[in-house]
Amino acid sequence: QKEVEQNSGPLSVPEGAIASLNCTYSDRGSQSFFWYRQYSGKSPELIMSIYSNGDKEDGRFTAQLNKASQYVSLLIRDSQPSDSATYLCAVTGGSNYKLTFGKGTLLTVNP
Amino acid sequence: GAVVSQHPSRVICKSGTSVKIECRSLDFQATTMFWYRQFPKQSLMLMATSNEGSKATYEQGVEKDKFLINHASLTLSTLTVTSAHPEDSSFYICSASGGIHTEAFFGQGTRLTVV
Repeated sequence: QKEVEQNSGPLSVPEGAIASLNCTYSDRGSQSFFWYRQYSGKSPELIMSIYSNGDKEDGRFTAQLNKASQYVSLLIRDSQPSDSATYLCAVTGGSNYKLTFGKGTLLTVNP
Repeated sequence: GAVVSQHPSRVICKSGTSVKIECRSLDFQATTMFWYRQFPKQSLMLMATSNEGSKATYEQGVEKDKFLINHASLTLSTLTVTSAHPEDSSFYICSASGGIHTEAFFGQGTRLTVV
């Protein structure tokens, strides 16, 4: 059974700090990796996708993928209170786009 | 990113009635759509996968006769909750993928309350 594990949290960081979110996955055949942000009562919003080993940066967000370690992370630099949300790691293995989600990590950024 | 529209955003229905939720991909052809349910403070639970023109594939434990899914076109999938009961009250979310998009994009979600 494919599993995606996230650091359980909740995670609390001060405004301006770096927030680090981690995720491991069990299926070595996984090919695509995503980070979604979900505000309370809202649906998930895609913030980062990564497909190959290494880092991918987009603004204040950096996703890191290490397929050998089956590990994907998300760094949020200069964290803002508006970043406070649940962050979901999701993985898919093939062409059917079926995502396996982690349980999410609740991030709180304190002003 | 692509736009997925889900309607209605909120619905209240009486126990025993049926409710239909629509999911539309507005600017791309969604060959695959997914339906999720999310209870408070829990992660998304995949209910079923639907491919255009074929029967939906339901996850284990999801009653296919209760949650009817139709994916009649490349831009529209519907979920009908039949004979709804209070325990069906939840947040239902669709997502869509296809075309040039390898990512899945989510609709706004539907908050269903059965009274």
